[in-house]
Amino acid sequence: QKEVEQNSGPLSVPEGAIASLNCTYSDRGSQSFFWYRQYSGKSPELIMSIYSNGDKEDGRFTAQLNKASQYVSLLIRDSQPSDSATYLCAVNKGGNQFYFGTGTSLTVIP
Amino acid sequence: NAGVTQTPKFQVLKTGQSMTLQCAQDMNHNSMYWYRQDPGMGLRLIYYSASEGTTDKGEVPNGYNVSRLNKREFSLRLESAAPSQTSVYFCASIAGGANEKLFFGSGTQLSVL
Repeated sequence: QKEVEQNSGPLSVPEGAIASLNCTYSDRGSQSFFWYRQYSGKSPELIMSIYSNGDKEDGRFTAQLNKASQYVSLLIRDSQPSDSATYLCAVNKGGNQFYFGTGTSLTVIP
Repeated sequence: NAGVTQTPKFQVLKTGQSMTLQCAQDMNHNSMYWYRQDPGMGLRLIYYSASEGTTDKGEVPNGYNVSRLNKREFSLRLESAAPSQTSVYFCASIAGGANEKLFFGSGTQLSVL
């Protein structure tokens, strides 16, 4: 069983719509959760981190965490073509061991 | 401020050849990591070093060795390269403590023929 699971997509949404990305993790003891964005041919960059159950908002991005269900999600409101990228879910298992999912490819259609 | 520097950026090897991928960070970070990225596989952790002088296996350590030479440098060695090791390799580091943001290098594209 993989540590972090994501739907690989691809996910396509029209410009201005809400994009919803989902992730599950296997280690119930995990404490820290992250969303990274990766443009084609580039390195991943951190866009959101979340540590507590509930929602965390940052601009157009909202991360949601449900530890009971071992589920993390990312909502992107008012999606823009510049949001087209692969989104990677990551988990700190403890001891600074960071594990990533396979990524979800998002395309925002103008 | 250079951040995380990886060398080389591109490399082509023949099966059985050896090579070392170099990584250095200038942010005084405690922990460093090596990941590989293959199409459809996301980032997979090869080895990590939680602090200077320590190294631990990740998800896919077979065929690799690492050295945490000092606090700045963390190298990845392929002793006998195989076509299955064709991948993009990323080095990353974090400060540690409450700061868990991973800083990535620009990656090394490795092809093993």
